[in-house]
Amino acid sequence: DAKTTQPNSMESNEEEPVHLPCNHSTISGTDYIHWYRQLPSQGPEYVIHGLTSNVNNRMASLAIAEDRKSSTLILHRATLRDAAVYYCIWGGAQKLVFGQGTRLTINP
Amino acid sequence: NAGVMQNPRHLVRRRGQEARLRCSPMKGHSHVYWYRQLPEEGLKFMVYLQKENIIDESGMPKERFSAEFPKEGPSILRIQQVVRGDSAAYFCASSRLQWREGAYNEQFFGPGTRLTVL
Repeated sequence: DAKTTQPNSMESNEEEPVHLPCNHSTISGTDYIHWYRQLPSQGPEYVIHGLTSNVNNRMASLAIAEDRKSSTLILHRATLRDAAVYYCIWGGAQKLVFGQGTRLTINP
Repeated sequence: NAGVMQNPRHLVRRRGQEARLRCSPMKGHSHVYWYRQLPEEGLKFMVYLQKENIIDESGMPKERFSAEFPKEGPSILRIQQVVRGDSAAYFCASSRLQWREGAYNEQFFGPGTRLTVL
């Protein structure tokens, strides 16, 4: 299994940045790092992915450590709609191996 | 462009009955994946299918579960003789292309079917 370690839960305030960490110390050199999130009572939703370089898209930024053994998902200005379980996954994009994720709570 | 559609959204079955879960992938997507989420647990991969082919069924239980993705029509996840332990949310996802190194295709998930076995 493609094991990752994430905090069980995190809390932040609306309109503040949020940094969600993930350790993936057994990742291999060609494995992608993906982030998905699951809002309450919904299916997972793709957030971002990266390989070696930091990545930005309209939803978030992904900062990847130089040794690739950890990464951080950054939500620049959290909104109430960002409250979800965030999953850090590594490996191919074909068979996603979900861990327990981080439950993010956003306070108004 | 409609997203991934799953039906029914909620399904109640008695022990021993059959459950049929349907998934229509996004337009233009020919790859379908099924995942199961047991109560208070994370999502677990079950099976990956292309049209008329099962590519990876390493996550499927050995008995009672089967999946298909025919040339025409939706993908079907079939659970025969359901037991209470089958109660879960079943999510279908689709992607446009087959994943290969150097090319990335994210998976688009449907809203899920919540199966309750009485």
